[in-house]
Amino acid sequence: AQSVAQPEDQVNVAEGNPLTVKCTYSVSGNPYLFWYVQYPNRGLQFLLKYITGDNLVKGSYGFEAEFNKSQTSFHLKKPSALVSDSALYFCAVRPQTGANNLFFGTGTRLTVIP
Amino acid sequence: DSGVTQTPKHLITATGQRVTLRCSPRSGDLSVYWYQQSLDQGLQFLIQYYNGEERAKGNILERFSAQQFPDLHSELNLSSLELGDSALYFCASSGGGGLMTGELFFGEGSRLTVL
Repeated sequence: AQSVAQPEDQVNVAEGNPLTVKCTYSVSGNPYLFWYVQYPNRGLQFLLKYITGDNLVKGSYGFEAEFNKSQTSFHLKKPSALVSDSALYFCAVRPQTGANNLFFGTGTRLTVIP
Repeated sequence: DSGVTQTPKHLITATGQRVTLRCSPRSGDLSVYWYQQSLDQGLQFLIQYYNGEERAKGNILERFSAQQFPDLHSELNLSSLELGDSALYFCASSGGGGLMTGELFFGEGSRLTVL
């Protein structure tokens, strides 16, 4: 069975500092991995994805994520946090074969402190 | 704006009642997905339709049903409502019905409150 773990419910970081939001996954075979962001009272918005190729994936709004197969991780990073990055972040996975839908983590609330 | 439209945005009803949530996917998208977001369960996949046919099923209760119409809009029917059904229900769409390697486009959700 496939699953996603986001070990931190809440991450606080000072504006201008680097941020990391953690994600680990469990899936049969090779994964497709995604990050989504949810702002208050809005739907989820796609940030980036890993399908294959380079382990470092760059996405929207300056975010990037690194796929680490040995650690089954796909952590979201940004070199310099902005107050406007404060939101709920979801990691999602789907196996390359089998279920044709995304399985989401429980989300991590990022707060960037001015 | 994702291009996915959900109605109603808010709905308050009583236990035992039935409601219908509606979703219009992004123009040209054939696949529609329904997700339930609650505080204690996170984002749970309910069901997927592709071009009118059910393609994948997740943790959808028997009291819930969905369909996708020829114009590709979809409806999620929730019946015999319980307090625990209170949640935010999201619809998402994507272009294909086969292997999904692309992103999902989410609507802004329908917030259901069962009293």
